[in-house]
Amino acid sequence: DAGITQSPRHKVTETGTPVTLRCHQTENHRYMYWYRQDPGHGLRLIHYSYGVKDTDKGEVSDGYSVSRSKTEDFLLTLESATSSQTSVYFCAISKNTGTPDEQYFGPGTRLTVT
Amino acid sequence: AQSVTQLGSHVSVSEGALVLLRCNYSSSVPPYLFWYVQYPNQGLQLLLKYTSAATLVKGINGFEAEFKKSETSFHLTKPSAHMSDAAEYFCALATAGGTSYGKLTFGQGTILTVHP
Repeated sequence: DAGITQSPRHKVTETGTPVTLRCHQTENHRYMYWYRQDPGHGLRLIHYSYGVKDTDKGEVSDGYSVSRSKTEDFLLTLESATSSQTSVYFCAISKNTGTPDEQYFGPGTRLTVT
Repeated sequence: AQSVTQLGSHVSVSEGALVLLRCNYSSSVPPYLFWYVQYPNQGLQLLLKYTSAATLVKGINGFEAEFKKSETSFHLTKPSAHMSDAAEYFCALATAGGTSYGKLTFGQGTILTVHP
């Protein structure tokens, strides 16, 4: 299994509070991704990174920010959590050398915003 | 813009029966296609991938998929279902080029139920 960990694995927070989710990899892969999973929507890309300090928005980036100061860590921040951000969040990594490679997924973080 | 459509949010089969999960894609450039499986309360695991080398792709656990450009399809099949195949399956499309290289667009998912 690819070395990807996510923390915390579960979190309950109140509306309006800031929340930071962490993704940590031990594979030294260049690309990292944050997705959210909601019933009926599959997985939707929030933000991704193609190198240290290089990030870009995905299709559902509003209300989220990211940072990547080291190859191994990719942080997702909800500046002011809302109930619509209740979801399961997955981090993924990929090498993407030559042609698009498969992504390896972390175990997920279940976030509940009350 | 790329898109992926999985036909049927729920598929139910009997143990030993053929499994067929349908995936159609839309892409303006040659696609890279993937099937992932998700077991309850777990992350996604790669079943197989298409990267233009061969149209029939074999994956893990006896699954295979056939790329049909004329039909823009990448359906997933398994000849004989096993109880352990019960899970949610996702078809995904990757883009190539620029900094968005490798971004995945997912279908909505298909939940497979296997009956004894």
